[in-house]
Amino acid sequence: DAGITQSPRHKVTETGTPVTLRCHQTENHRYMYWYRQDPGHGLRLIHYSYGVKDTDKGEVSDGYSVSRSKTEDFLLTLESATSSQTSVYFCAISESWDSQETQYFGPGTRLLVL
Amino acid sequence: GNSVTQMEGPVTLSEEAFLTINCTYTATGYPSLFWYVQYPGEGLQLLLKATKADDKGSNKGFEATYRKETTSFHLEKGSVQVSDSAVYFCALRPNNAGNMLTFGGGTRLMVKP
Repeated sequence: DAGITQSPRHKVTETGTPVTLRCHQTENHRYMYWYRQDPGHGLRLIHYSYGVKDTDKGEVSDGYSVSRSKTEDFLLTLESATSSQTSVYFCAISESWDSQETQYFGPGTRLLVL
Repeated sequence: GNSVTQMEGPVTLSEEAFLTINCTYTATGYPSLFWYVQYPGEGLQLLLKATKADDKGSNKGFEATYRKETTSFHLEKGSVQVSDSAVYFCALRPNNAGNMLTFGGGTRLMVKP
């Protein structure tokens, strides 16, 4: 299994509060991704990173920001959580941007926004 | 844009039955195709992949063939087990610029003893 951990694994928060999710990898992979998983939608890309301090938006980036100050850590922040951000969040990593390259996923963080 | 369509499910089968989960895609160029599996409470794991037309990906008794003429990548297994109960996701990744991984909605498989 790829060395990817996510923290916290579960979180309950209230609308309007800030929330930060952490993804940590031990594989030294260059590329890291944040997805959200919702019923009927599969996984949708929120943001991704192609190196330290290099990030870009994905399909559903509104309301989210990210930071990557070290190769091994990729943080996802909800500045002011809303109920529509209740979801399961997955981090993923890959060694390259090559289309044939496999992405490896973390165990997920279940977030409930009340 | 790129998209992946797969049967919604749930698919309920008896142990040792034959499994097919349909997946069709829309993409420009020649994408790579993937099947991921998600067991209850876990993240996604790569099950198999194919990177060019007519390639067959296989793993753990599962197979899928990259059919460019029908833009399909159907997942099959000859004899399912209770332990195969999971959600299966079909995904594609284009080989052009901005090549994001695009997922289908997932298909839940339930195998009964």
